[in-house]
Amino acid sequence: RKEVEQDPGPFNVPEGATVAFNCTYSNSASQSFFWYRQDCRKEPKLLMSVYSSGNEDGRFTAQLNRASQYISLLIRDSKLSDSATYLCAVNRGGGFKTIFGAGTRLFVKA
Amino acid sequence: DVKVTQSSRYLVKRTGEKVFLECVQDMDHENMFWYRQDPGLGLRLIYFSYDVKMKEKGDIPEGYSVSREKKERFSLILESASTNQTSMYLCASSSPRLGSAQYFGPGTRLLVL
Repeated sequence: RKEVEQDPGPFNVPEGATVAFNCTYSNSASQSFFWYRQDCRKEPKLLMSVYSSGNEDGRFTAQLNRASQYISLLIRDSKLSDSATYLCAVNRGGGFKTIFGAGTRLFVKA
Repeated sequence: DVKVTQSSRYLVKRTGEKVFLECVQDMDHENMFWYRQDPGLGLRLIYFSYDVKMKEKGDIPEGYSVSREKKERFSLILESASTNQTSMYLCASSSPRLGSAQYFGPGTRLLVL
């Protein structure tokens, strides 16, 4: 079993829709969590960190569920420009490496 | 803003050539990383470094070596390039503080013929 798993998708949604992705992690010692966005043939870019209490940045909301060991990303009012691959990342802290999920592809259609 | 730069965006090399990929970051980050990314396989860690002259093997170090002579610079070396090393190579850096994210360079697309 992979340490970090994501549904690869693709998720095809119309503009204006709400879409949610989950990412499960297997190591309960994980301490830091992130969502990245990666456009085709570009580098991953940090979208947001995920805090224990959950956090929001405009149309994006990230949540952490430690009991069930998953993080989620909710995108409201989807835009065409949200089409990308979304990677989750998990770090155990203390200098341990970060583990990235393989990504979930999102296509937003007009 | 964190800036991570990589020496080349595209590179074409022949089998057996020695290849150098350079990465420079301007945020005084202690941690630096080299990944390769292939379709369907995601990001795979090749090597990382927590300090100058220090290196640790990642998940797929075979066929690669690294050098970190200065804090801001982390080089990836393919001693004898092979066709199965054709890939997108991504460098990243981060602070060692708990909760710090990694920041990526634009990547180098390497084609080995």
